Amino acid sequence: KQEVTQIPAALSVPEGENLVLNCSFTDSAIYNLQWFRQDPGKGLTSLLLIQSSQREQTSGRLNASLDKSSGRSTLYIAASQPGDSATYLCAAANNNNDMRFGAGTRLTVKP
Amino acid sequence: DGGITQSPKYLFRKEGQNVTLSCEQNLNHDAMYWYRQDPGQGLRLIYYSQIVNDFQKGDIAEGYSVSREKKESFPLTVTSAQKNPTAFYLCASRRSEKLFFGSGTQLSVL
Repeated sequence: KQEVTQIPAALSVPEGENLVLNCSFTDSAIYNLQWFRQDPGKGLTSLLLIQSSQREQTSGRLNASLDKSSGRSTLYIAASQPGDSATYLCAAANNNNDMRFGAGTRLTVKP
Repeated sequence: DGGITQSPKYLFRKEGQNVTLSCEQNLNHDAMYWYRQDPGQGLRLIYYSQIVNDFQKGDIAEGYSVSREKKESFPLTVTSAQKNPTAFYLCASRRSEKLFFGSGTQLSVL
């Protein structure tokens, strides 16, 4: 059974800093991996989706990488802003109906 | 506006009571999902439906029931058999490999 872990559980950084969020998964036979953002008391918003055949995806200041062999994905946020403060979750999909979520990393960007 | 609407935002359940959480989408997506989120844990799948009049159990279906009579609607009933219902419930629909989430319902026990 796929297990997804995100470390650290919480992270606080000053504005402008570049940062990396980590996601690890136990079964390398994934279909894709997604990163989501969740604001307090809200639903999830998809940020980036990496197919199993891809190594990375980029959107604006966000870059997500995937290394299936080591069971790891990272989300890189460049030049962080207070508006980036949220919880970031990763999810590894073994198929469209079997998606396993990590518990998330709660990010605080201080002005 | 296109999207997924969950209601109510907050819901309180008395012991022994069944309660129903609403999820409506106007995105014309076939597949819909219900997840439960507890503090410090990842989302866990309760039920999913790939098409109207069909649904499948997820990892934690016990104490829950669903129906899918219309493409747009996928209500979740939390029955009295669910002994620990306090959680944040999220509904989602899927287009291709992307999930689109509603804003959630916080269920608490009185």
